[in-house]
Amino acid sequence: GDSVTQMEGPVTLSEEAFLTINCTYTATGYPSLFWYVQYPGEGLQLLLKATKADDKGSNKGFEATYRKETTSFHLEKGSVQVSDSAVYFCALIESSGGGADGLTFGKGTHLIIQP
Amino acid sequence: DTAVSQTPKYLVTQMGNDKSIKCEQNLGHDTMYWYKQDSKKFLKIMFSYNNKELIINETVPNRFSPKSPDKAHLNLHINSLELGDSAVYFCASSPLGTSNYGYTFGSGTRLTVV
Repeated sequence: GDSVTQMEGPVTLSEEAFLTINCTYTATGYPSLFWYVQYPGEGLQLLLKATKADDKGSNKGFEATYRKETTSFHLEKGSVQVSDSAVYFCALIESSGGGADGLTFGKGTHLIIQP
Repeated sequence: DTAVSQTPKYLVTQMGNDKSIKCEQNLGHDTMYWYKQDSKKFLKIMFSYNNKELIINETVPNRFSPKSPDKAHLNLHINSLELGDSAVYFCASSPLGTSNYGYTFGSGTRLTVV
């Protein structure tokens, strides 16, 4: 079955540091890939997505590139802020499923940014 | 206007009780879902409903039953609650046939069984 593997947290960085959160996946078909963010006490928000190989998703200074050859979708940001502190989830969905098969999530990476 | 709304936000109840969590979406989406997030933040799909038809039931105990009175609502009813049911439950929705869209999530219901 499909699976998503993320680096374990928590990840603690200083403000303005460079961020990378690794994500790799296993899928039988050609999945769409997503990053979701969960701020404390809130639900999940879609951060960015990519639907085919070599696509780059970007939003709020975050970027991730769909790398089919390495089955990866690493999340990066050049300069993090305290307000970026949250739990980040990598997820996929099989394109053949028509959207009804459900997102498969990684276990989440807790990011802590210190001032 | 909240796109996906869940009620209640917090629910504390005793073992053995029956409870329901309500979910409504105003996005016109065709498919709705329930996810369970455990204490380690792991998210797992429980159900999805498409035009009132159950599509997925991921080995969830039959004490859990989704009920969809119409396309905009998917409620979760839980019978005979157990301590292990304590978790945060998220409702979500998405358009049909667009797997690259991603889902819109509600803010969650934190269920505590004592």
